[in-house]
Amino acid sequence: KNEVEQSPQNLTAQEGEFITINCSYSVGISALHWLQQHPGGGIVSLFMLSSGKKKHGRLIATINIQEKHSSLHITASHPRDSAVYICVVSGSEKLVFGKGTKLTVNP
Amino acid sequence: EAQVTQNPRYLITVTGKKLTVTCSQNMNHEYMSWYRQDPGLGLRQIYYSMNVEVTDKGDVPEGYKVSRKEKRNFPLILESPSPNQTSLYFCASSFAQTYEQYFGPGTRLTVT
Repeated sequence: KNEVEQSPQNLTAQEGEFITINCSYSVGISALHWLQQHPGGGIVSLFMLSSGKKKHGRLIATINIQEKHSSLHITASHPRDSAVYICVVSGSEKLVFGKGTKLTVNP
Repeated sequence: EAQVTQNPRYLITVTGKKLTVTCSQNMNHEYMSWYRQDPGLGLRQIYYSMNVEVTDKGDVPEGYKVSRKEKRNFPLILESPSPNQTSLYFCASSFAQTYEQYFGPGTRLTVT
């Protein structure tokens, strides 16, 4: 079993829909990151969480430390949100990556 | 501009010919790391460095070497590349592994 599990693996939505991507982990962590990788390959950091909730524009990330679970929400999705979203956990010194969720938002 | 640079961006080489992929950051970050990304496997950590002269193995270190002689640079060395090292490589840096990670643009390596 992977230490970091993301669901779903693939997600197709219509423009305007509310999107949720889930991440569950089995190790103790200091922080959890959400990354976005666009079709061109570049990776950007969206959020770093150690507790609670963070919001940036239409993106919201939450984490429940007791349940070892995090969610990334996208409100009013847009075709430019089409990307792979990657959950990453940091415990000791290493970073452990989920395999990513490929999101496609159709106009 | 704060950034992580990698060179080269694309490289095609032959089995056994030593190569180095450079990584440099201008943000005075302590933590630097290398990853490879393969279809179906996602990103996997190769090596990381907590600070100058401090390096450690990630999940897939076989066939790779690194060095951290200066804070800003963290080169990835393939002493004898093999076809199974064909992959997309990313360098990243941050103040620590729990801080926001800044990724380089990636290096697409093909070993024939």
